[in-house]
Amino acid sequence: DTAVSQTPKYLVTQMGNDKSIKCEQNLGHDTMYWYKQDSKKFLKIMFSYNNKELIINETVPNRFSPKSPDKAHLNLHINSLELGDSAVYFCASSVGYSWEQYFGPGTRLTVT
Amino acid sequence: TQLLEQSPQFLSIQEGENLTVYCNSSSVFSSLQWYRQEPGEGPVLLVTVVTGGEVKKLKRLTFQFGDARKDSSLHITAAQPGDTGLYLCAGAGGTSYGKLTFGQGTILTVHP
Repeated sequence: DTAVSQTPKYLVTQMGNDKSIKCEQNLGHDTMYWYKQDSKKFLKIMFSYNNKELIINETVPNRFSPKSPDKAHLNLHINSLELGDSAVYFCASSVGYSWEQYFGPGTRLTVT
Repeated sequence: TQLLEQSPQFLSIQEGENLTVYCNSSSVFSSLQWYRQEPGEGPVLLVTVVTGGEVKKLKRLTFQFGDARKDSSLHITAAQPGDTGLYLCAGAGGTSYGKLTFGQGTILTVHP
């Protein structure tokens, strides 16, 4: 059974388009996160939600809008995609604000 | 802003050799995690260290948290090709609400 799943695995799109990435966890965790990993493998947090409430909102362009319909799901919508948005986006989850986080397999976004 | 300097960035060794990866900061962390990431997958938690001076062992891997909780090391004894991957350290502050600060990562390649 997949603990943290993301769809799609790969996403190739053109500049200016709008796209969404979905994340689901079946671990019963109440906190979920979005991370961005750049081409140099540097991983940086973008957002976190606890019980559907936004907790962490790093300095991310407002073209990125997360949404948590329930504590098992966290989606990421990106408007007006730019070349610099190309990266691997990881979803993660944890119990409360635990430092021990479980990551999904990632979504590789390529903007052309 | 808390930063974690991880070194070396790349490590290429022969099977059977020992190696150490370092993670250093000028900031104090409440805890430090080590993750391993394989190509096309998300980071997988290896260990969490919380107490200054703490040492944890996971088979051939030894993790140490510095006395001042500003640095950590990962030592692998008799490396095997299966150890190949990206190793990431991540630190958490006291009131971080689960926010992890990641190091730049160490890409380890173990040749048979």
